[in-house]
Amino acid sequence: KAGVTQTPRYLIKTRGQQVTLSCSPISGHRSVSWYQQTPGQGLQFLFEYFSETQRNKGNFPGRFSGRQFSNSRSEMNVSTLELGDSALYLCASSWDGLNTEAFFGQGTRLTVV
Amino acid sequence: GENVEQHPSTLSVQEGDSAVIKCTYSDSASNYFPWYKQELGKGPQLIIDIRSNVGEKKDQRIAVTLNKTAKHFSLHITETQPEDSAVYFCAASYRDDKIIFGKGTRLHILP
Repeated sequence: KAGVTQTPRYLIKTRGQQVTLSCSPISGHRSVSWYQQTPGQGLQFLFEYFSETQRNKGNFPGRFSGRQFSNSRSEMNVSTLELGDSALYLCASSWDGLNTEAFFGQGTRLTVV
Repeated sequence: GENVEQHPSTLSVQEGDSAVIKCTYSDSASNYFPWYKQELGKGPQLIIDIRSNVGEKKDQRIAVTLNKTAKHFSLHITETQPEDSAVYFCAASYRDDKIIFGKGTRLHILP
């Protein structure tokens, strides 16, 4: 079966702009989590969605937001981009998100200039 | 607070030798501990996981041990091979079912 698909793979944006990233989970998976990966901080949890509801949230500012659609696809949005937002953004899907195996996509590499 | 410490940050071992990566966690309620392998240009991939009701789990050359009293868990890779070179992440679940990751260990297998 198809894996987790993230689009686009690469993005270059200017400071102050906003960006939307997309994640299509594995068919049948209802939980989608988002992570920010940077060389210095590793994988940091952004938020998790289950059945269109945000169930968990990490310690990121309100500029980072997300949503999940009825088909479990998820988007995350970052507004007023800052240079420090440059990172690899990963999403992971799992059946129910409750300590079950999570499958990651290849990520979206965001560069803010 | 929510924290997973992982050591070492870089590890080089001779091909055929064993590699050990260690992690500690802070929440005594954590009950799920997955390990992920990330190769260049790819997302992390689950290689093994352990739950708090067992102390050890093995899958071919990979094993994980858990010491709940010490809040410590480790990944052991035996008979290392070149394809084991990657970044390895440990993680722990927290009370609200978030998964918190360590900062990763870059493993180099030397020929």
